[in-house]
Amino acid sequence: EPEVTQTPSHQVTQMGQEVILRCVPISNHLYFYWYRQILGQKVEFLVSFYNNEISEKSEIFDDQFSVERPDGSNFTLKIRSTKLEDSAMYFCASSALRTETGELFFGEGSRLTVL
Amino acid sequence: KQEVTQIPAALSVPEGENLVLNCSFTDSAIYNLQWFRQDPGKGLTSLLLIQSSQREQTSGRLNASLDKSSGRSTLYIAASQPGDSATYLCAVCGNYKLTFGKGTLLTVNP
Repeated sequence: EPEVTQTPSHQVTQMGQEVILRCVPISNHLYFYWYRQILGQKVEFLVSFYNNEISEKSEIFDDQFSVERPDGSNFTLKIRSTKLEDSAMYFCASSALRTETGELFFGEGSRLTVL
Repeated sequence: KQEVTQIPAALSVPEGENLVLNCSFTDSAIYNLQWFRQDPGKGLTSLLLIQSSQREQTSGRLNASLDKSSGRSTLYIAASQPGDSATYLCAVCGNYKLTFGKGTLLTVNP
């Protein structure tokens, strides 16, 4: 069964360092997303991406964050200068149709720990 | 601003019992509602998607209903098994994004 894959599964970094989280969405999907879950809190939306550009982003997704689809298969989330409060589980998701219509499929997540 | 609440926060039942998980949302202007399962430290597994025009969806032992006007959804699990133990998340789609509840932690005891 097709699935969304994410790497790394866990990354530990020092505050101020840059981090890149990688995702391989399901191959025929067109819409890509990043969500995050701080420990003990709700899953929250960060950004959606379609047709090689950001379609929507939340207030969390400030200038420290960026997304890219560098080739036909990968979708990355970059955090330029990590803060302690960026520690969370980051989930990549993809869908064949836009969120209002289609089912989102999530990856296993990348746990980011900022020290 | 959409708020999603799930009740109860935790539920412990003996194996074989039928159970209902509840989800409520404050803004009824939704496109769809999706139920997910999350195992500890793991990702989200999609269980059921209900479009706003639908009243329910079924998959195996799972049945989800949606009453958009009252802002409620229920997830019914029949004949629960220990392998059903997980956190169940409800998420509603308003504009362009999913808004999640905090989940119900289900424990099914053998």
